[in-house]
Amino acid sequence: DAMVIQNPRYQVTQFGKPVTLSCSQTLNHNVMYWYQQKSSQAPKLLFHYYDKDFNNEADTPDNFQSRRPNTSFCFLDIRSPGLGDAAMYLCATSRDQGYPETQYFGPGTRLLVL
Amino acid sequence: AQTVTQSQPEMSVQEAETVTLSCTYDTSENNYYLFWYKQPPSRQMILVIRQEAYKQQNATENRFSVNFQKAAKSFSLKISDSQLGDTAMYFCALSSGTYKYIFGTGTRLKVLA
Repeated sequence: DAMVIQNPRYQVTQFGKPVTLSCSQTLNHNVMYWYQQKSSQAPKLLFHYYDKDFNNEADTPDNFQSRRPNTSFCFLDIRSPGLGDAAMYLCATSRDQGYPETQYFGPGTRLLVL
Repeated sequence: AQTVTQSQPEMSVQEAETVTLSCTYDTSENNYYLFWYKQPPSRQMILVIRQEAYKQQNATENRFSVNFQKAAKSFSLKISDSQLGDTAMYFCALSSGTYKYIFGTGTRLKVLA
């Protein structure tokens, strides 16, 4: 089945220690999104890639970066995690950027910062 | 500005009963999609149902159906024959005029045995 895969499902890191979360997709979608979701809240969009074009949300901290080396993979790098960065990180994809579009979500990576 | 409002933070329903979750939205676009996503505790956000605004017929997926009232900008989700596995957070979302989804604040649904 075509899907969105996130690894790892759980990640523990230390305060200030860089961490990378990964997302891959077999849907061959052009657009990949990264969201941060804190407990019982709606997901908050951090940034997205349309093909290789990177689009950062205005309120996304500089501490968060992303890479998309090819169509299938996208990475979220947190350069210096703080306690406030503990959250669920969701990757999503959509076929295109023409709106409206349907987004398909991965299972998420839960990040714990010690 | 585009908005999505879910006015019911929490709901509960007895197993096998029917429950309706409310969602209202606002957009000036003519072409948009509305969605209901289900997110069980610590699990994946799953697309439950999608409604294209240009379609007058209400979307249905098995036990899940919507009541789409375009003029009133209302998009409610009805779950029939509720099952324990329906226990989850449900998010209403809007896609229109921008790459962004506009999410509601979610409704936590608990199905009681």
